[in-house]
Amino acid sequence: ETGVTQTPRHLVMGMTNKKSLKCEQHLGHNAMYWYKQSAKKPLELMFVYSLEERVENNSVPSRFSPECPNSSHLFLHLHTLQPEDSALYLCASSQDDSGLSPPQYFGPGTRLTVL
Amino acid sequence: TQLLEQSPQFLSIQEGENLTVYCNSSSVFSSLQWYRQEPGEGPVLLVTVVTGGEVKKLKRLTFQFGDARKDSSLHITAAQPGDTGLYLCAGHMEYGNKLVFGAGTILRVKS
Repeated sequence: ETGVTQTPRHLVMGMTNKKSLKCEQHLGHNAMYWYKQSAKKPLELMFVYSLEERVENNSVPSRFSPECPNSSHLFLHLHTLQPEDSALYLCASSQDDSGLSPPQYFGPGTRLTVL
Repeated sequence: TQLLEQSPQFLSIQEGENLTVYCNSSSVFSSLQWYRQEPGEGPVLLVTVVTGGEVKKLKRLTFQFGDARKDSSLHITAAQPGDTGLYLCAGHMEYGNKLVFGAGTILRVKS
């Protein structure tokens, strides 16, 4: 049990669908992240939220829309996705104190397939 | 070009053998972390190394941070089937505190 949960664990959607991924952390952390993990490629950082404010958006297409309503919850809204967006989407959280290298705690991921 | 290059990409060994996984970069990192990811799960932190030349041991796992803080290695002694998984290195950039991941090494230990 890592303290970070993600739902759903698996999602199959068509290119015209709208769906949302949910992440919840029970660790009291102040930063949350979305990553994309594709086979044989490094984890790609998509979005970073610190104290509920988006601090980084790594040139992610607008068909991915994050939302962080509070420090414990993070959503990734999906619409009009492409087949190449099929991947494992990982959520992570950390306690960011300036000057340190905080470990990130990951959820189990959502395996997304876009048909 | 990846900022962090991991090698080998895939390693299949027999139980009881020793192995080393490498993580190399031309960039300097303020710290480097190693994670292990099992199928169907997210990565789990194993260790953080901060000081150049630092060596940390975690049971049969030995982690080393290069003197120049550009590379790291993970050595496993007497590998067990339970060591099977994807090993990821991740470096905190010296400026900006961004965490950058390597592509990982898939380790399979056969009994």
